[in-house]
Amino acid sequence: EPEVTQTPSHQVTQMGQEVILRCVPISNHLYFYWYRQILGQKVEFLVSFYNNEISEKSEIFDDQFSVERPDGSNFTLKIRSTKLEDSAMYFCASSYPDYGYTFGSGTRLTVV
Amino acid sequence: AQTVTQSQPEMSVQEAETVTLSCTYDTSESDYYLFWYKQPPSRQMILVIRQEAYKQQNATENRFSVNFQKAAKSFSLKISDSQLGDAAMYFCAYRSEWGNDMRFGAGTRLTVKP
Repeated sequence: EPEVTQTPSHQVTQMGQEVILRCVPISNHLYFYWYRQILGQKVEFLVSFYNNEISEKSEIFDDQFSVERPDGSNFTLKIRSTKLEDSAMYFCASSYPDYGYTFGSGTRLTVV
Repeated sequence: AQTVTQSQPEMSVQEAETVTLSCTYDTSESDYYLFWYKQPPSRQMILVIRQEAYKQQNATENRFSVNFQKAAKSFSLKISDSQLGDAAMYFCAYRSEWGNDMRFGAGTRLTVKP
């Protein structure tokens, strides 16, 4: 079964640094998403991406965050000037034009 | 804005028994989708079951079934013949027919006792 692949599985970064989280969505999917889950809390929507642009974003997704699909296969989330509270599990997901999401296995981001 | 509420932070079930996890949601829309996701200790999000709001028939996937009450805005998950591998966090989620984002509840941690 096709999978959404996320790398790295765990990223440790110093506060104030920039990180890029990478995702390879399922190849025929058209919608891409990033979600965040702070440890012990609910899964929160960050952003959705369609046709090479952001289609929706939450209030969490401020200027510190950006997304890109640089080469037609990768989908990246960039977090600038990381803060301690950015430590969380970040999930990428993709979907075809129906209601089914497929999630990746997540990247655990630890900001120290 | 749509909200999803899971009122049971933790549930416990004996192996081979049946357990029901509750979920309610708030929406003014008539067409939408509902989901249950399982998150084991690996923290991967695994789709368990989904329901289209326009379908009256409750969805079923092997030992997993839902009780979808549209008027009551309730979407409970029943797990029959519980197995040790069912132990996980379970999240209820809502997606509008027209929106892209999925809204999650706070989750229910299910423990399965041998």
